[in-house]
Amino acid sequence: DADVTQTPRNRITKTGKRIMLECSQTKGHDRMYWYRQDPGLGLRLIYYSFDVKDINKGEISDGYSVSRQAQAKFSLSLESAIPNQTALYFCATSDPAGTSFHNEQFFGPGTRLTVL
Amino acid sequence: AQSVTQLDSQVPVFEEAPVELRCNYSSSVSVYLFWYVQYPNQGLQLLLKYLSGSTLVKGINGFEAEFNKSQTSFHLRKPSVHISDTAEYFCAVTSLAGGTSYGKLTFGQGTILTVHP
Repeated sequence: DADVTQTPRNRITKTGKRIMLECSQTKGHDRMYWYRQDPGLGLRLIYYSFDVKDINKGEISDGYSVSRQAQAKFSLSLESAIPNQTALYFCATSDPAGTSFHNEQFFGPGTRLTVL
Repeated sequence: AQSVTQLDSQVPVFEEAPVELRCNYSSSVSVYLFWYVQYPNQGLQLLLKYLSGSTLVKGINGFEAEFNKSQTSFHLRKPSVHISDTAEYFCAVTSLAGGTSYGKLTFGQGTILTVHP
């Protein structure tokens, strides 16, 4: 089974709808991240969490919110989706106390979101 | 603050030819450097990383990269590519110090490598 899973893998929605993307991990890592990927722009950080009680905005957090329900779960919400939020979304984890002390991150398979 | 620039957005090559994907970074402190690969319809996986020591780093699938501190570069190379190397490649940097970049990776824009038969 994959260490980092994302649901759904694909989603098509309409402008104005509320959408939640979910991420779960079995790696036991404290740190979790949400990125979006757009062609030619690479990956940009939306939100990150260093533990259950710690949530931080990334470089492009406007229009998004997150919830860290447990060490293993980190959800990303679009309260009112708009077309320019159409993108590929990735969740990632890292463990500074373990082998990824240098901040190597482990990625989920991605969620392709289309907002019409 | 740190930043990464991948100098080529697309690199087409023929099978069995050598390839170099270029990456330059900017940081006021010491860094760790990474190359990730994204195969079609998949997530990112680590190709190789530079933490310290030898400036020539070897990764999976025959790839290697050379860290050049004076030129702030971390170029990825492979002497002979295969069709299966067709993918998007991302260079990333993280700083060793605190501040606003603490605990975060900064990614380049990505380079799409297309290997033709």
